[in-house]
Amino acid sequence: AQRVTQPEKLLSVFKGAPVELKCNYSYSGSPELFWYVQYSRQRLQLLLRHISRESIKGFTADLNKGETSFHLKKPFAQEEDSAMYYCAPPGETSYDKVIFGPGTSLSVIP
Amino acid sequence: EPEVTQTPSHQVTQMGQEVILRCVPISNHLYFYWYRQILGQKVEFLVSFYNNEISEKSEIFDDQFSVERPDGSNFTLKIRSTKLEDSAMYFCASSEGGLKDTQYFGPGTRLTVL
Repeated sequence: AQRVTQPEKLLSVFKGAPVELKCNYSYSGSPELFWYVQYSRQRLQLLLRHISRESIKGFTADLNKGETSFHLKKPFAQEEDSAMYYCAPPGETSYDKVIFGPGTSLSVIP
Repeated sequence: EPEVTQTPSHQVTQMGQEVILRCVPISNHLYFYWYRQILGQKVEFLVSFYNNEISEKSEIFDDQFSVERPDGSNFTLKIRSTKLEDSAMYFCASSEGGLKDTQYFGPGTRLTVL
């Protein structure tokens, strides 16, 4: 069965420090990977997607097919980055669904 | 900016009762989804809907669940006979062109089954 793992349930970093949120997936095809974010009392929203290779709010994510990882990185964390982050590849057998990882709660300490 | 809306924000029901959760997707979107998140657990896919039919459903989406697009704007999730374990946050999402496009999520409906 397809699996998405985000090994850290909670991650705390100081403001200005680098951030890396880890994600590993099992997927046999060529995945389209997403990162979703949920800020406090807000809805889930797309943060970035692999295919567009864009950087949103300073975050980037590199797909490493060899390690089957899609870690999310930001060089300098800001307090407003505190949120729940979900790694999300598509379904292995179809493109009609997103499989969410368990999520990592990022807390940026001022 | 257009948003997905969901009503009600919180629904409390007795076990065995039927509930209907309502969603209004973004108007030009063609793909619709329901996800749920049990407290403390991850967001789980339930069902996707396109062209007036279910395109995929998960193991969770059993015969107790059904979805409908009764008119041009609403997208509903019905749970026929609720169980305690159906208590969760239910999120509706829509996208313009399937997974290749961004899925936009609603704020969620918190369902509490007593």
